[in-house]
Amino acid sequence: SAVISQKPSRDICQRGTSLTIQCQVDSQVTMMFWYRQQPGQSLTLIATANQGSEATYESGFVIDKFPISRPNLTFSTLTVSNMSPEDSSIYLCSVWAGDYEQYFGPGTRLTVT
Amino acid sequence: GIQVEQSPPDLILQEGANSTLRCNFSDSVNNLQWFHQNPWGQLINLFYIPSGTKQNGRLSATTVATERYSLLYISSSQTTDSGVYFCAVEGRGSTLGRLYFGRGTQLTVWP
Repeated sequence: SAVISQKPSRDICQRGTSLTIQCQVDSQVTMMFWYRQQPGQSLTLIATANQGSEATYESGFVIDKFPISRPNLTFSTLTVSNMSPEDSSIYLCSVWAGDYEQYFGPGTRLTVT
Repeated sequence: GIQVEQSPPDLILQEGANSTLRCNFSDSVNNLQWFHQNPWGQLINLFYIPSGTKQNGRLSATTVATERYSLLYISSSQTTDSGVYFCAVEGRGSTLGRLYFGRGTQLTVWP
């Protein structure tokens, strides 16, 4: 299993600003992912965070809006840039630790005003 | 990508009742997981079950991979079981670890 922490747990931001979300895992993991959950909706994959190379983005998500870093095997950041109210969501980090199960962090609840 | 359908979308029960949640998927899978999202948004792993049957206390799950469905059983439900239950799958040939989620079943258990 894996223990995942995210910072911040919640934030209220003004439109046009940016927020960087951190994801820390207690062990080295192969794969890290970032998901978005809009209010009342299911989870949608934003991107796969690749260690040492650019993230792989899903259709509808672009690097300029959601830049991702993964400097090592235990840490990743997601930035939500130039925010608008439509970006209000829960952002979740997940990891695949090699034992076939995927584990999720507690999420970051973002409100954009 | 692989399609995941969950039913029912909403379920309201009285404490002590039993329930069955269903997950249908459109293609062969390497991985199938059931999650419970509590009111604070935390996703809790319930089962990793690409095939077969597993039980954990009052919860059990069965996946029939050849027929592309999975069932989650909740017995003697409690108010703490309330929340959203998600089924998520990793399709064969997909990026390793890439999960596709269903829309979830919103469960409300009344005392």
